[in-house]
Amino acid sequence: NAGVTQTPKFQVLKTGQSMTLQCAQDMNHNSMYWYRQDPGMGLRLIYYSASEGTTDKGEVPNGYNVSRLNKREFSLRLESAAPSQTSVYFCASSYTTSGGVNTGELFFGEGSRLTVL
Amino acid sequence: SQQGEEDPQALSIQEGENATMNCSYKTSINNLQWYRQNSGRGLVHLILIRSNEREKHSGRLRVTLDTSKKSSSLLITASRAADTASYFCLIQGAQKLVFGQGTRLTINP
Repeated sequence: NAGVTQTPKFQVLKTGQSMTLQCAQDMNHNSMYWYRQDPGMGLRLIYYSASEGTTDKGEVPNGYNVSRLNKREFSLRLESAAPSQTSVYFCASSYTTSGGVNTGELFFGEGSRLTVL
Repeated sequence: SQQGEEDPQALSIQEGENATMNCSYKTSINNLQWYRQNSGRGLVHLILIRSNEREKHSGRLRVTLDTSKKSSSLLITASRAADTASYFCLIQGAQKLVFGQGTRLTINP
């Protein structure tokens, strides 16, 4: 099993450029998440999707959009990148109950390192 | 906010010693999880403790949860150099998952 796969692993953008981070999981999980991690800090939730066709904002959604394309794939888009979005982005997936309670572990991708100049 | 706060932010001990790190939170939870992150890598799940549990063990790991104090602790016994990593608590509240800011653990040979 590949688990959670993120692409690209590294990206350098200029301010104002747009890009999409791709994430796919092969564990048939219903919930997927995008986090960002800044140096020396924990992970902050950008957006999450509890099921196919639904998305919700997390702690730091400004400047980002997401698409839950199907059960496997959850993409994160930066429409107009800013230097403040320089970070490492992690996608994760898990199984949650119909009430949205996560009953087990989150599985993480290896991260996408984004630099905005 | 359910943001978790961890302490200490950094911990350096000798190999063989025990390491304890703590996580506190502000609201009621469904469960709390601990993760390890090696430098430059994704997070790996260590252990999950549910709100109705008080203690769990997994190998050299021991987790406690005190819902009255809204806090949890992770104890790593007989530490090894390979335990050098950052450790994060993950708080599962009403639908959202929030990480603590992490404890950076260094095991000195």
